[in-house]
Amino acid sequence: EVQLLESGGGLAQPGGSLRLSCAASGFPFSTYGMNWVRQAPGKGLEWVSGISGSGGRTYYADSVKGRFTISRDNSKNTLFMQMNSLRAEDAAVYYCAKGKYTSPSDVFDYWGQGTLVTVSS
Amino acid sequence: DIVLTQSPGTLSLSPGERATLSCRASQSVGNSYLAWYQQKPGQAPRLLIYGASTRATGIPDRFSGGGSGTDFTLTISRLEPEDFAVYYCQQFGSLPGTFGQGTKVEIK
Repeated sequence: EVQLLESGGGLAQPGGSLRLSCAASGFPFSTYGMNWVRQAPGKGLEWVSGISGSGGRTYYADSVKGRFTISRDNSKNTLFMQMNSLRAEDAAVYYCAKGKYTSPSDVFDYWGQGTLVTVSS
Repeated sequence: DIVLTQSPGTLSLSPGERATLSCRASQSVGNSYLAWYQQKPGQAPRLLIYGASTRATGIPDRFSGGGSGTDFTLTISRLEPEDFAVYYCQQFGSLPGTFGQGTKVEIK
C-alpha cells in the first residue's frame, strides 16, 4: 500500500524558513517523480514543485522559484521542500504527491494527508 | 500557462441524479493529458480520471470522463451520497501543470 506522510509544517514569520518532509513507502521510490502541491485555506490546488526520480531534474512554479528548493533522499525514501523567504501568500496545506509517470508535468495518483504552513508575525 | 476554467461553480443535485461537470482549457491539452480529482472536506484530493477518460484504480464505473483538445467533461451517472464533494480538473501536458478552480457538487 502506497503511503505518503508529510511533516514539518507549522508557524513561520514572514521572511522565515521551514523544511517540509514526506516519508514514502509501498512503492519503488526512486522510480517516480514526486511533487508538492499546495492549497490555501478555502482555495483551490496549486502545483508548487516537482523532482525527477533520480533527483537530477527539478521544476518550480514561478511563485516560489528562487525561494523554495525541492530535494529527495532515495536511500531514505524521503522527499523534502526547503522553504525560505516565506510570505503570507505561502500559507497553505502542502501535499506531497506521487507522479504516476516520470514526466516533468505529471498526474498525481497518490497524495499525503498534508501539512499546514502558517505564515504570520 | 494553460488556464483551466471549470463550470458550473456549484452544482446542486439530488442522490440518484446525473452530474455533468465541464473543464475548458485556454489552449489545447496535448494527448488528452487531462485528469480529474475529487476532494472531500479535510481530505487530500483523490485521482479519479487521467488521460481524459481512463478511470484510476478502484474508481467506480459511474464516473466517466470525456473530451479532447480544449473541452473536457466529467460525468457521474448516478450520484451516491459519498459523491458530494469538490471536483478539480488538471492538465499535465505542459509545465506548469495547472488546476481548474473546482466545481462543488452539493446536495439539493
